[in-house]
Amino acid sequence: KQEVTQIPAALSVPEGENLVLNCSFTDSAIYNLQWFRQDPGKGLTSLLLIQSSQREQTSGRLNASLDKSSGRSTLYIAASQPGDSATYLCAVRWDTGNQFYFGTGTSLTVIP
Amino acid sequence: ETGVTQTPRHLVMGMTNKKSLKCEQHLGHNAMYWYKQSAKKPLELMFVYNFKEQTENNSVPSRFSPECPNSSHLFLHLHTLQPEDSALYLCASSQGTGGYNEQFFGPGTRLTVL
Repeated sequence: KQEVTQIPAALSVPEGENLVLNCSFTDSAIYNLQWFRQDPGKGLTSLLLIQSSQREQTSGRLNASLDKSSGRSTLYIAASQPGDSATYLCAVRWDTGNQFYFGTGTSLTVIP
Repeated sequence: ETGVTQTPRHLVMGMTNKKSLKCEQHLGHNAMYWYKQSAKKPLELMFVYNFKEQTENNSVPSRFSPECPNSSHLFLHLHTLQPEDSALYLCASSQGTGGYNEQFFGPGTRLTVL
């Protein structure tokens, strides 16, 4: 069964700290992986999309890495700010289908 | 703004009501999706449309009826819902359903079934 897991479910850090969010998936034959941000009661905002042939993608203070062999992706946030507080979701598309499978997310709180 | 809009943003309905959710994308995409997001559960894909044709139905109960009149508009018609159908319903679009397609989401409709 294809599953996406995100641990921890919640994380609190002081402002300015660098942090890593984790995403693991059960089958290494993925097509791509996408990280999203969701603010309370709102829709999803795409952050980074990593294709299976890539090892990492960067956008500003965000860096997402992909290790297919170990079934893991990490989202690194540098110099965290209170505005980074949100739920971060990981979604995986496998080679065998056209749909994304989502994790349950990590709720991040950055304390001023 | 992501270019995907959804109306209404909030909806409260009784189990005997009939209502519709609307999604519109202004991105020139060809594929549109309905997702359900319940508390503590991963997003669940409900339906996929590509060039107005339904390509995925993820075993969704018939009380949810999608409609895609063109590539820019997607509706979800609701009737005789159950309280457990209360959730955030998200619409998304992408250029296509395969390949290097990034999905863009709307803000969602928060549905409460009494």
